[in-house]
Amino acid sequence: GQNIDQPTEMTATEGAIVQINCTYQTSGFNGLFWYQQHAGEAPTFLSYNVLDGLEEKGRFSSFLSRSKGYSYLLLKELQMKDSASYLCASSGGYNKLIFGAGTRLAVHP
Amino acid sequence: DAGVTQSPTHLIKTRGQQVTLRCSPKSGHDTVSWYQQALGQGPQFIFQYYEEEERQRGNFPDRFSGHQFPNYSSELNVNALLLGDSALYLCASSLGGGVGNQPQHFGDGTRLSIL
Repeated sequence: GQNIDQPTEMTATEGAIVQINCTYQTSGFNGLFWYQQHAGEAPTFLSYNVLDGLEEKGRFSSFLSRSKGYSYLLLKELQMKDSASYLCASSGGYNKLIFGAGTRLAVHP
Repeated sequence: DAGVTQSPTHLIKTRGQQVTLRCSPKSGHDTVSWYQQALGQGPQFIFQYYEEEERQRGNFPDRFSGHQFPNYSSELNVNALLLGDSALYLCASSLGGGVGNQPQHFGDGTRLSIL
């Protein structure tokens, strides 16, 4: 079967660091995407990991371990505008995305 | 450079009716995927179109059908609407038919409400 698990909600303080974990069990796995979605808006692409290891892109980094079926998204120097849902998605087949339910992150002053 | 555009933004229908949603992909993209997102959930894959054909499909009944036109735009049709079809319908486009796992770019979606 296809299963993606991530925490439902997280809270953090402005300026801090937060790590959002994602575990997956999917067939035909090609890679792992992270998307950000503000309420009422479209998901926007954050990162993509196909090989094991850490990918850094500014304040955001993403890690993948294929052997453990595990990924995380690391957000540094949190800003209020980072309050959003973060979606973990496994890619398989012809880039068919299987999404988790999303993690709602609330950043407080 | 226009991104992915979807129409209409909002739509209200009653049970048993039929609906057509439209999507224009980002300029230069040739692959369109459709997703259904229920409130508080992640998007669920409906199907994907490439070269005017449905190439892969998720676990959705045959009431859900689609089409891709020569200009790469796409339509999603849903027949015999049920209350459970109320959701945000997202269109996503990408390049290269899915090879190489290019990021999918999403439109703002169509909010469908069934009464």
